[in-house]
Amino acid sequence: SAVISQKPSRDICQRGTSLTIQCQVDSQVTMMFWYRQQPGQSLTLIATANQGSEATYESGFVIDKFPISRPNLTFSTLTVSNLSPEDSSIYLCSVEGPGQGGPPLHFGNGTRLTVT
Amino acid sequence: GDSVTQMEGPVTLSEEAFLTINCTYTATGYPSLFWYVQYPGEGLQLLLKATKADDKGSNKGFEATYRKETTSFHLEKGSVQVSDSAVYFCALKTNAGKSTFGDGTTLTVKP
Repeated sequence: SAVISQKPSRDICQRGTSLTIQCQVDSQVTMMFWYRQQPGQSLTLIATANQGSEATYESGFVIDKFPISRPNLTFSTLTVSNLSPEDSSIYLCSVEGPGQGGPPLHFGNGTRLTVT
Repeated sequence: GDSVTQMEGPVTLSEEAFLTINCTYTATGYPSLFWYVQYPGEGLQLLLKATKADDKGSNKGFEATYRKETTSFHLEKGSVQVSDSAVYFCALKTNAGKSTFGDGTTLTVKP
């Protein structure tokens, strides 16, 4: 299965600043997914990042707030901009596993963001 | 739209107790079904999966059977250990490739 390295693992940021999260995969993948996991809640898909094209954002998420880069097939960044306390969450990078029949997702260890 | 409903937690059990975490889903077509586990401070890991009706996924003593007639995928383990303490997520993935997760169930196993 894919090995996903995500950093930073945690950060404390002041409101109004931005945080950029990096995600590195040990194999080439077409799609990379960014999720948000708010305290005590489930995962919500923020966007899907395809190499060479604009990311596709889910309802309720916009590029100005969550700009994404995908410069190559093994790397992506998610920036959370103009931070407010409501952005305090765990942010997870994920990729699809190989195989047919609905392959599972593989996740990084997440970035725990606290906004003060 | 697609949805996954999990048994609410938290669940607290004694070591060697039997575990059931209920999961039901709503989806168009025939999704693949998954259980993921999240240990403290880590991301989600795939625990088991089933891709079609009546398939049974199993791993590390955990089992779940894809029941199309009841749209369910309940997670079971005959004898839990302290090391099984974690958050468990039921999820589905449609043929279009979109994943939907349940709210997660926190399991605490006491020695």
